[in-house]
Amino acid sequence: ETGVTQTPRHLVMGMTNKKSLKCEQHLGHNAMYWYKQSAKKPLELMFVYSLEERVENNSVPSRFSPECPNSSHLFLHLHTLQPEDSALYLCASSQDAGTSYEQYFGPGTRLTVT
Amino acid sequence: AQSVAQPEDQVNVAEGNPLTVKCTYSVSGNPYLFWYVQYPNRGLQFLLKYITGDNLVKGSYGFEAEFNKSQTSFHLKKPSALVSDSALYFCAVRDGDSGAGSYQLTFGKGTKLSVIP
Repeated sequence: ETGVTQTPRHLVMGMTNKKSLKCEQHLGHNAMYWYKQSAKKPLELMFVYSLEERVENNSVPSRFSPECPNSSHLFLHLHTLQPEDSALYLCASSQDAGTSYEQYFGPGTRLTVT
Repeated sequence: AQSVAQPEDQVNVAEGNPLTVKCTYSVSGNPYLFWYVQYPNRGLQFLLKYITGDNLVKGSYGFEAEFNKSQTSFHLKKPSALVSDSALYFCAVRDGDSGAGSYQLTFGKGTKLSVIP
């Protein structure tokens, strides 16, 4: 295992629901990331947190709301999603944001919006 | 802008044969290059990276990659493929000269490797 855990592993939600994805890293890293992985498309970086401060927000719709209460935990709050938001959502961490550090990924949450 | 191309959606190789998964990149500054592997129902696992120094980089599970600046390539290789190497492989690039304030790691679309027994 990579030291990054994600819950839940699978989530089915209606378009009017509110849910949250959780990520926890046990590696002592300072940076955490949310990615969206859709079939036949490259990974899309959604958000970057460095030392609990959001440092990048890649034009993500406001129906996705991240939260980083401390350097070990990262949440993605979801509300009024669309069917096209169905995807695998991956959390990652690295020693520091950017530069030459590799990222360590969690197993992902498979989200289905009905 | 930076980009990565993995020209092959799928690569098939017989067990025991050498394998190559191709990657080319485009960045304006010095490239930082990464390879990741993804097994079914799992997240991405880091294999190896090139930042500077020796053009031949060795990584996990017997994989290696060669940085070729003139051809802007970073192909992943392994001398003898195993059935357990069957997975999805991603190349990624970051502009090493972009400095603080730029966190974008750009991934390719992935190459599915199938090792046939």
